[in-house]
Amino acid sequence: GAGVSQSPSNKVTEKGKDVELRCDPISGHTALYWYRQSLGQGLEFLIYFQGNSAPDKSGLPSDRFSAERTGGSVSTLTIQRTQQEDSAVYLCASSSGAGGSPLHFGNGTRLTVT
Amino acid sequence: GENVEQHPSTLSVQEGDSAVIKCTYSDSASNYFPWYKQELGKGPQLIIDIRSNVGEKKDQRIAVTLNKTAKHFSLHITETQPEDSAVYFCAASRDYKLSFGAGTTVTVRA
Repeated sequence: GAGVSQSPSNKVTEKGKDVELRCDPISGHTALYWYRQSLGQGLEFLIYFQGNSAPDKSGLPSDRFSAERTGGSVSTLTIQRTQQEDSAVYLCASSSGAGGSPLHFGNGTRLTVT
Repeated sequence: GENVEQHPSTLSVQEGDSAVIKCTYSDSASNYFPWYKQELGKGPQLIIDIRSNVGEKKDQRIAVTLNKTAKHFSLHITETQPEDSAVYFCAASRDYKLSFGAGTTVTVRA
């Protein structure tokens, strides 16, 4: 079946511009996560959704970052006034439950801020 | 919060040899320990996971062991093949949030 889909796969933007990254989770998965992966680094947790609610936003680096999820499905991560340090791969994952359920990752969006 | 440390950061093995990656975690309440494989340009893919009520789990050439007392777990890959070359991540969680190690780049030499 279809996996987690992310778009765009690559995004180059100028410093100061806003960007939107999209995630289509596996159908029926109630949990959705955003992680950030900087070059050669591990995965940094950003935000967790259960349904349309985000009970844990603790990983968002600043108030320039926001995310929403609608219809218990698609999620959008928005970065306002992008900075060069925002350059990274943004990964979305979904799972069928909360704790102890495997995460299924998309292939990510590679964001480059020039 | 949970802190996961992973060693080594890079590992080069001869094809056919075994590879071992080790991780430690800090939160004694963690009860779920998955391992992910990430190939270039792709997202991490789950390869095996273990829960705290199990000490060892095996799936063909890969196995994971868990020592809850010492708070460490390991990934073992036997009879390595070129397609095993990738970055491997360990992770731990007590609830919904997975905390990841920094990753191990495995290179299998032909």
